[in-house]
Amino acid sequence: DAGVTQSPTHLIKTRGQQVTLRCSPKSGHDTVSWYQQALGQGPQFIFQYYEEEERQRGNFPDRFSGHQFPNYSSELNVNALLLGDSALYLCASSLAFYGYTFGSGTRLTVV
Amino acid sequence: AQTVTQSQPEMSVQEAETVTLSCTYDTSENNYYLFWYKQPPSRQMILVIRQEAYKQQNATENRFSVNFQKAAKSFSLKISDSQLGDTAMYFCAFMGLRANSKLTFGKGITLSVRP
Repeated sequence: DAGVTQSPTHLIKTRGQQVTLRCSPKSGHDTVSWYQQALGQGPQFIFQYYEEEERQRGNFPDRFSGHQFPNYSSELNVNALLLGDSALYLCASSLAFYGYTFGSGTRLTVV
Repeated sequence: AQTVTQSQPEMSVQEAETVTLSCTYDTSENNYYLFWYKQPPSRQMILVIRQEAYKQQNATENRFSVNFQKAAKSFSLKISDSQLGDTAMYFCAFMGLRANSKLTFGKGITLSVRP
C-alpha cells in the first residue's frame, strides 16, 4: 500500500517565477493538507483540501493556492516566488480521526 | 490559537541510555490530541506516539513513552534504550478534536545518539 507520494523531490526556481508541487494521498484517505517547513523550523500549516474545496487555511498570502482532484490528489501552486519561499513543502493525507500520513516533501530553492 | 513550545534546540544521548524531550503547549480547548513525530534525514515525518487528552493514562509504544500533565500543559517524550536509528529531529504537535483538524508543531529538537 503506497503512502503519500510527492513530486518533484527537489526544485530550483528563480525569484518571480511560479511553481506547482504535486501530492498523491495514501490509499483510502480523502483529505490533503500542505505544510511549509523552513530550515531548522517546525512545519507551518498552509491549507487543507477536502471534497475538492479548501476547507482550512493558515496564515499564508494568496500567492499560495491549491487544488484537489476527484481522485483526491492535490497540487500546491505558488506565484511570484520570493527568496523566503525556499523551504521543504510537506503533504499530509488523512481520513477523519485516523491521523496524518506525511510524504517525504519537495525541497524548493528560490534563487 | 494553539501554540507548541520546544525550548531545547538539541540534545545528545549515549546509545542504550534514556533521554527525555520536553514540550509545553497552550490551548483553551479541553479535549485534543498530542503527538510526537520523528523526522530523520529522509525528511518524512513519522508518527512516534499519540496521546488523547481525555485519557489519563500515559501512552506507550515500545521504547517510547510520554509524561502527559494536562493541568501543566506539558507533554514530554521519554526514549528508553536509545538506538543509533533514533537520531533525528523530533517534533511535538497539537491537534484539535474535530476530524481532520490541522496540526500545530513546535520548532523541534535535534536528537543525536552517540555510539
